Amino acid sequence: EDQVTQSPEALRLQEGESSSLNCSYTVSGLRGLFWYRQDPGKGPEFLFTLYSAGEEKEKERLKATLTKKESFLHITAPKPEDSATYLCAAVIYNQGGKLIFGQGTELSVKP
Amino acid sequence: NAGVTQTPKFRVLKTGQSMTLLCAQDMNHEYMYWYRQDPGMGLRLIHYSVGEGTTAKGEVPDGYNVSRLKKQNFLLGLESAAPSQTSVYFCASSYPNPVNAATQETQYFGPGTRLLVL
Repeated sequence: EDQVTQSPEALRLQEGESSSLNCSYTVSGLRGLFWYRQDPGKGPEFLFTLYSAGEEKEKERLKATLTKKESFLHITAPKPEDSATYLCAAVIYNQGGKLIFGQGTELSVKP
Repeated sequence: NAGVTQTPKFRVLKTGQSMTLLCAQDMNHEYMYWYRQDPGMGLRLIHYSVGEGTTAKGEVPDGYNVSRLKKQNFLLGLESAAPSQTSVYFCASSYPNPVNAATQETQYFGPGTRLLVL
């Protein structure tokens, strides 16, 4: 069964305290791995897409990496405005572009 | 561009009532999706469409129907609402990459519809 698992479920950081979020996946044929950010009461907002092992992408304080079994979202020197739920999702070949989501990691950054 | 819009934003239904959720996108996307989001369950795909006039079942399709009569609109219907359908519903759209089949265009999400079934 295709599955995406995120850890931890919740993460509390002090402003400036760097950390990483994990997304592990077991799918039949990975076509791409997506990261989204979701603020309370809003829809998911696209951050990154990774297509092959070894690929890395960066945006401000965020850096996403991909291996054959998992993806990491590294947060460097986070600020309170980085507080949100971060979702990862896998898209599989020949599945009409369907995304399989993990349950998300709720990040809280305190000043 | 408005992107992906959803109506209504919030609705309260009584058990057994019916309603239709509307999703509209102005990005000329071929693919559209309906998800529900529940605490501890993440986002789960209900139904999706790969083009006008076509629909397919997702992970949790029971109790829902959909229609894609126009490319820009994707409707989600609840014929007889149940308390288990209390959730937040998100619509998304994407455009399959016509040049490189190995890549997948991003899904863009709407703001969500909060549904409470009493």
